Amino acid sequence: EAGVTQFPSHSVIEKGQTVTLRCDPISGHDNLYWYRRVMGKEIKFLLHFVKESKQDESGMPNNRFLAERTGGTYSTLKVQPAELEDSGVYFCASSQATIRGGYGYTFGSGTRLTVV
Amino acid sequence: QKEVEQDPGPLSVPEGAIVSLNCTYSNSAFQYFMWYRQYSRKGPELLMYTYSSGNKEDGRFTAQVDKSSKYISLFIRDSQPSDSATYLCAPWGGATNKLIFGTGTLLAVQP
Repeated sequence: EAGVTQFPSHSVIEKGQTVTLRCDPISGHDNLYWYRRVMGKEIKFLLHFVKESKQDESGMPNNRFLAERTGGTYSTLKVQPAELEDSGVYFCASSQATIRGGYGYTFGSGTRLTVV
Repeated sequence: QKEVEQDPGPLSVPEGAIVSLNCTYSNSAFQYFMWYRQYSRKGPELLMYTYSSGNKEDGRFTAQVDKSSKYISLFIRDSQPSDSATYLCAPWGGATNKLIFGTGTLLAVQP
C-alpha cells in the first residue's frame, strides 16, 4: 500500500509569492488532514476533510490559506500571498474512517516551506 | 497555559540505556494517549497508544498514563541507535478529530 505522498518535499519562495502544496492520501481514505509545524513550535492542526467537504477548518491561520479537495481524492493547500511566518513544515495525514484519537492516521513526510 | 507540555530535550543516552520521556497535559477530557515517533525529514508515525490510566507494553516500549496527575510517560528499554528520533506525545479526547501534539523530545542514542 502506497503511503501518503506530499509534493514538493521542499519549497523556497519569496514573500508575497504564491505556493501550492499537494497531498495524495492513501487510496480509499476518505479523511484527510493538514497539520503544520513552525520553527520551535508544536505540530498544529489546520483542517480536516471528509471526502471533498471541510469537516473542521478551525486551525486555518487566516484567509491567505486555501485548502481544496476536489473529487475527494488529492488535496491542495495554497498560500497566497506567502508571509515570512508561514515558513515551516506542512504535514498531510489520511485515515480510512473518522478515527478519533488519531491512532488511525498515516502521515506524509511533509513539505518544508521556506519564505524569504 | 499550553494543553500539552513536553521537554524538547535534546536527550542523549548511551546504547542500552533506559529512556524516560514525559508529558503533562491540562485537559481532563483527554482519554486516549498517543506516542508518535518522527525520524528526521519524515512524518510522525504512531508508536503506541493507551486508553485511560495504566500501563501498556509493546516490546521494548512501555507507555504509562496517570490521569490523576495528568502525566504521560514513555519508557524505552535497551535503547538502540535506531531509536534516535523525536518522540511526540499526543493526548486526545472529546468531540474533535484533531490531535494536540507536544513539542516533541529529540532523543539521540549513542552507539
